[in-house]
Amino acid sequence: DTAVSQTPKYLVTQMGNDKSIKCEQNLGHDTMYWYKQDSKKFLKIMFSYNNKELIINETVPNRFSPKSPDKAHLNLHINSLELGDSAVYFCASSQAEAGPAFFGQGTRLTVV
Amino acid sequence: AQSVAQPEDQVNVAEGNPLTVKCTYSVSGNPYLFWYVQYPNRGLQFLLKYITGDNLVKGSYGFEAEFNKSQTSFHLKKPSALVSDSALYFCAVRDRARSGNTPLVFGKGTRLSVIA
Repeated sequence: DTAVSQTPKYLVTQMGNDKSIKCEQNLGHDTMYWYKQDSKKFLKIMFSYNNKELIINETVPNRFSPKSPDKAHLNLHINSLELGDSAVYFCASSQAEAGPAFFGQGTRLTVV
Repeated sequence: AQSVAQPEDQVNVAEGNPLTVKCTYSVSGNPYLFWYVQYPNRGLQFLLKYITGDNLVKGSYGFEAEFNKSQTSFHLKKPSALVSDSALYFCAVRDRARSGNTPLVFGKGTRLSVIA
């Protein structure tokens, strides 16, 4: 059973399009995150949600809008895609403050 | 602010030799510390964590890490490297002084190459 699952795994789209990435966790965790991994493999937090509420938004352009319909899901919608949005996006979840985060397999977004 | 430094972009080691991947951290309070491994085209896999107690923590696949508060370090080690250990390794920190389940802050990663 996959603990944190993201769809799609690959996403190729043209500049200016709008796209969504879905994430689901079956671990019963209260907190979910979106991270961006750039071409140099650097991981940067984008958003953090706790029990469906946004608690952290790390200077991400407002073209990126997360949505959490329930605490097991955290989707990422991106409007007006730009070339610089090309990256791997990882969803993750965690429970306790001392607990590790568990990551999905990633979504490789390529904007052409 | 929290931060993590992994001073080596690349570590090369011969199979069967011990390996060390270095990590230092900076937090305002005490840290929770974590190591992750990333294989090509895969997500990050949790290896081990330091919360409190014994400074030497053991994790998956024979890896261990030593917490050193005075040096603010949390180096990853393995007594005998395998070719299959070749991957990208990330150190991460969460500051206990910040309340709530805050996101992990990651280092830039260290690529480990184990040569047969």
